Formats: sequence, structure tokens, C-alpha cells
Amino acid sequence: DIVLTQTPLSSPVTLGQPASISCRSSQSLVKSDGNTLLSWLQQRPGQPPRLLIYQISNRFSGVPDRFSGSGAGTDFTLKISRVEAEDVAVYYCMQATQFPYTFGQGTKLEIK
Amino acid sequence: EVQLVESGGGLAQPGGSLRLSCAASGFTFSNYGMNWVRQAPAKGLEWVSYISGNTRTLYYAESVKGRFTISRDNAKNSLYLQMNSLRDEDTAVYYCARRPYSSEGYWGQGTLVTVSS
Repeated sequence: DIVLTQTPLSSPVTLGQPASISCRSSQSLVKSDGNTLLSWLQQRPGQPPRLLIYQISNRFSGVPDRFSGSGAGTDFTLKISRVEAEDVAVYYCMQATQFPYTFGQGTKLEIK
Repeated sequence: EVQLVESGGGLAQPGGSLRLSCAASGFTFSNYGMNWVRQAPAKGLEWVSYISGNTRTLYYAESVKGRFTISRDNAKNSLYLQMNSLRDEDTAVYYCARRPYSSEGYWGQGTLVTVSS
């Protein structure tokens, strides 16, 4: 199985400041068709997961442009350019390149 | 509007069974593979199972293989998860999810399964 390792696991951030979360995969997430099925999910307290970013860097419909994704191969990053109060949540990376789909451990974003 | 509504959760005894349902609307259900993903209390996300749109392809997590069965009824726009031989560690919120890796990704609100004597 592909293991996804997120860092940090907790991130205290000041409102208006940037935040960054890393996701490292135990093997390349590039499929034979050239696509890389690495996504980022946001889960606010008491809510189901919500898709933020798909295929490394594509923002899902309605996601603010302060969220961006980057990376390639085995190393990926989610960035929030200016953290807002509504961004308090747990963030997960997820790979769907091969079954079983796997998730990172989650990173809890908190406001300082 | 895409909607995925899970139901069927509740309390079950260890060794018991439950059947979860996910009612889909707002899209052509048969065109999409579907997934079950679960989340134990205060824990992370765990993918459970996948079924293709035509039901020919099935995948299971090792943790549920041989105990859980995924199925679907495209005429009823419904996805199911039959859970047998339940264990304490199956306690979780169960979500159905459509293509959670793409521009068509969507998650339901979840249904809670509690396994306890």
C-alpha cells in the first residue's frame, strides 16, 4: 500500500499569515496515463470531508484562490496564502493512483 | 444538484450485521464508480471499498475483506455496504464518495455505525 506522510501534524497560524502542509508518498503517484491523483481534503469540525484540490494543483469548484497545491512524483504541498478563521480544520492528502486509496494522517490547522 | 445521502447506521453487537445505503441524486449514477470511506471517532480517514459503475470491478480494504460486501442498484440510484461479523474497530462514520480525486468529487454527510455490546 502507498503510505502518505503529512507534516506538520499540527500547525498554529496567525490570521492573515500563510500556512503550508507537506505530503510525502512512499512511491510515485504518477499513473501510467501520466495523471497524478493526489488530492487535498478539508474537514471542518463536525463536517464531512470536502475536496479542495485534485490532481495536485486544480482547485475544486468554489474553493477560494488562497488555496493552492503543488508538487510532483512523491512530494506535494498545500498552501494557504492568508489564513482566515474559516480555514480552521483538519487537512488530509489522499492518493487515488492505485487501490487501496490511502490518506495522510491529517494536519490540524489552528489559529494562534 | 448532486446529493449523496447515507443511511442505515446504528448500534450493532460484535459479530452482528448492518446494511448501509447511499441514495444518489442529481447525476447519472450508473456512469460513476463509487466508494465507501470511514472515519473512526477522532481518527483519520480510511478508504473501505470501491465499485465500478457497471458493478464488474470491486475492491476492498484488507481490514474488511471477507466481511463487507459492496453493491449497487443503478435502477434505484443506490449504493450499499453489507457489513457482517462486525468488530469494535468498525465503529466509525461511514461516507459514500463519488470520484473523490477529481473535478467531480463529492462526499455524503455520513452515517454513524457503533459496534458495542
